[in-house]
Order: sequence, then C-alpha cells, then structure tokens
Amino acid sequence: GNSVTQMEGPVTLSEEAFLTINCTYTATGYPSLFWYVQYPGEGLQLLLKATKADDKGSNKGFEATYRKETTSFHLEKGSVQVSDSAVYFCALSMLYGGSQGNLIFGKGTKLSVKP
Amino acid sequence: EPEVTQTPSHQVTQMGQEVILRCVPISNHLYFYWYRQILGQKVEFLVSFYNNEISEKSEIFDDQFSVERPDGSNFTLKIRSTKLEDSAMYFCASRGGQASTNEKLFFGSGTQLSVL
Repeated sequence: GNSVTQMEGPVTLSEEAFLTINCTYTATGYPSLFWYVQYPGEGLQLLLKATKADDKGSNKGFEATYRKETTSFHLEKGSVQVSDSAVYFCALSMLYGGSQGNLIFGKGTKLSVKP
Repeated sequence: EPEVTQTPSHQVTQMGQEVILRCVPISNHLYFYWYRQILGQKVEFLVSFYNNEISEKSEIFDDQFSVERPDGSNFTLKIRSTKLEDSAMYFCASRGGQASTNEKLFFGSGTQLSVL
C-alpha cells in the first residue's frame, strides 16, 4: 500500500543552522507530495507541495524536491529561525484511484530551534 | 486567513461512553475530513464527506464511528462507545470545491480525546 516514512525526531538545532528532514514514500501510481507544519496550539498548515517528478516546492525559505528515482521528498532550509520550531509532516495524495483529498501522512518530526 | 474551528480542545471520557467531536469548517468549503493521530503514531485518515454523504472511509472508521453535518455549518464525529485505543488527537479538515487532489486542505487545531 501507499505510505510515508520520515525521519524520527526530535531534531534540535541552533539558530541559522542548516535543516534537513528526510522523507521517503511508497506509492502505486503518481502521488502528489506535501509538507505540512504544525505550530504549537495550531492546526496543520500546508507548507509546500510538488505534484510531479523533479518539481521543487518552496515556501518561507523551505524547499523540497520530488525525486522519483529515490522516492524521496526531503525538506531543507538553509538557515533556521527560532520561529521555525514546530512539527513537520510529510504527506502524499494519490491523483487517481478515488482518493481525492485523502492524505497519507508520516509520523511527524518535531523541530526545536534554540537561539 | 479563514480557519477551521474545533471544539473542545481537550475531552476526557469514560470507556464505553459516547463522544461527539465538533468542527466548524470554512464556510464555503464542500469537502470535509476527519483524521486522527495516536500519540507517537502517524496521522491517519478516517473519513471524507461530500454532498451530505461519506465519500471514502478507512478501515479504522468502523460501525462505532459516524459523521454528520447537522445544520450546514457544523461537521461532527461521533464515537458511540469509546475504547481506550480511541485516545488520540482528532483533526478536522476542509477544502473548497475543486475535484483536484492538489487542492489545499485547511486543518483545525485538533481535539485531544482521552478515554479513561
């Protein structure tokens, strides 16, 4: 079946450090890939997405590239800020097969950024 | 930005009791969802709802679960007889009218259900 695996947390970084959160997926067909973020006390928010191989999603300094050959969608940011402290979720959605809007999530990775 | 609102933020119940989790989706949205996350586990899809009926449900969504849109603004999840393993964070989500799976989902901040 379809699934998402992301690196275990928590991740603790100092401000301005480089961030990578790994995400790999298993899917039959052609998924769209997403990163969602959950700030403390808030709901999940879409951070970025990519809908086909080699697409790069980007937002707020975060980037992720859809790599079909490695079935990966790693999240990166060159210089993290304290305000980036949150839980990050990798997710996929299938374009075909009737699963419209049904997102398959990873476990989430908690990021803490210290000043 | 418009918000999906969930109430209560935390609910405690006794095993075997019925609970109703409430959500107010964004007003012009047409597709509604419930997800849950057991502590330390993945966020899991439960059910999707469109045009006043369930459009898809997961294996988790058994006969103990039901959803309803009673008044055109609320979207509720009912668990008839709660079990210990129903303890989780429950997220409501909604999206607009496009059929594309790429459309953005808006999530609420969740209801933490604790079954004792």
